Amino acid sequence: QITLKESGPTLVKPTQTLTLTCTFSGFSLSTSGVGVGWIRQPPGKALEWLALIYWNDDKRYSPSLKSRLTITKDTSKNQVVLTMTNMDPVDTATYYCAHSVVVVTDFDYWGQGTLVTVSS
Amino acid sequence: DIQMTQSPSSLSASVGDRVTITCQASQDISNYLNWYQQKPGKAPKLLIYDASNLETGVPSRFSGSGSGTDFTFTISSLQPEDIATYYCQQYDNLLITFGPGTKVDIK
Repeated sequence: QITLKESGPTLVKPTQTLTLTCTFSGFSLSTSGVGVGWIRQPPGKALEWLALIYWNDDKRYSPSLKSRLTITKDTSKNQVVLTMTNMDPVDTATYYCAHSVVVVTDFDYWGQGTLVTVSS
Repeated sequence: DIQMTQSPSSLSASVGDRVTITCQASQDISNYLNWYQQKPGKAPKLLIYDASNLETGVPSRFSGSGSGTDFTFTISSLQPEDIATYYCQQYDNLLITFGPGTKVDIK
């Protein structure tokens, strides 16, 4: 059974760096073809893809946010970490991590999401 | 970047109605198109992958079609539990874009 769970601060101040951790079980990020992605959703708005990391350490980023994002993995801990620099109130959103497979690049298992508010 | 549009942005239909949502890509994406259902306060759920393949466990009243730039998502007989927002998602060269969503309500 595949599960994912996001963790991190619920409140960050403008200009700070956000660090979110996705802890998963039921699969390994050392298995060929497997990936974990991050997607966010501002309150009342649409989903926005942020980043994706694959078993082979291939990393992809949203072009509009690439300069602010870093995605890394710790295979031994079954974790993926996303950092986003220079946070702004417009970055207030629910942040989700999700499991993916490179062949279809869909997100078939999702975490419950974590709401991050950016405010001074 | 590939942009995705969806129409309509919202719709109201009666139980048992056939509901159709369209998604258009700004350039040819072959069949690299997925559909998700999101209920309020919940994470999205994958329904259709590769434009027309039903995810395991998803009711057969949901279907998808299309290729290239134009795609369609259909609920053959709307049920009360289908009240949700539906999103398309494309992947091209491992860059991903979601559509703006279509909110489906019961009339």
